[in-house]
Amino acid sequence: DGGITQSPKYLFRKEGQNVTLSCEQNLNHDAMYWYRQDPGQGLRLIYYSQIVNDFQKGDIAEGYSVSREKKESFPLTVTSAQKNPTAFYLCASSTTDRPDTQYFGPGTRLTVL
Amino acid sequence: EDKVVQSPLSLVVHEGDTVTLNCSYEVTNFRSLLWYKQEKKAPTFLFMLTSSGIEKKSGRLSSILDKKELFSILNITATQTGDSAVYLCAVHLGGSEKLVFGKGTKLTVNP
Repeated sequence: DGGITQSPKYLFRKEGQNVTLSCEQNLNHDAMYWYRQDPGQGLRLIYYSQIVNDFQKGDIAEGYSVSREKKESFPLTVTSAQKNPTAFYLCASSTTDRPDTQYFGPGTRLTVL
Repeated sequence: EDKVVQSPLSLVVHEGDTVTLNCSYEVTNFRSLLWYKQEKKAPTFLFMLTSSGIEKKSGRLSSILDKKELFSILNITATQTGDSAVYLCAVHLGGSEKLVFGKGTKLTVNP
């Protein structure tokens, strides 16, 4: 089955620890995205990547880092510099000629204690 | 600053009611407007609108775009409890890969 997977579904971390969220897709999409969603809020773009070994900051990149070593994978690291990391994180992918048609993964809910 | 505003933020109706969700936008370079349904986790795609006045339909859901007044509506007729979800509106900005999302409308359909 083609799709996007994110793991884990739920993640708990202590304040001050870095944590990495996984995102994998087998849709053969070149573009991948990370969004953050807070309660009662829409999705805000953290980082995106159009091609392997390249990525761009979104609107709220501070305190986050990404890598894109493989086409299928776009992991997100939430660093200790992120002041309010507790949120729902969504990964998405698309073809580069249709960035408006993004397919979303099931999300990871991160809680920092 | 590009922004997308949805209203109402929350709506509670009874099964069988018809609802209209609103989405207005102010962006520098409009390419398309998208509607998503988010039940518990991943948003799922409903519609993409690029041209004014052309209604898109899928079963009991329909949507239309007005590029002159900068808004779109999503209609759901004969609502069912399975329609309960957060409905997200997003605008794709031309010349970029970015989608700008509204805060969503949380629809609750009671039996």
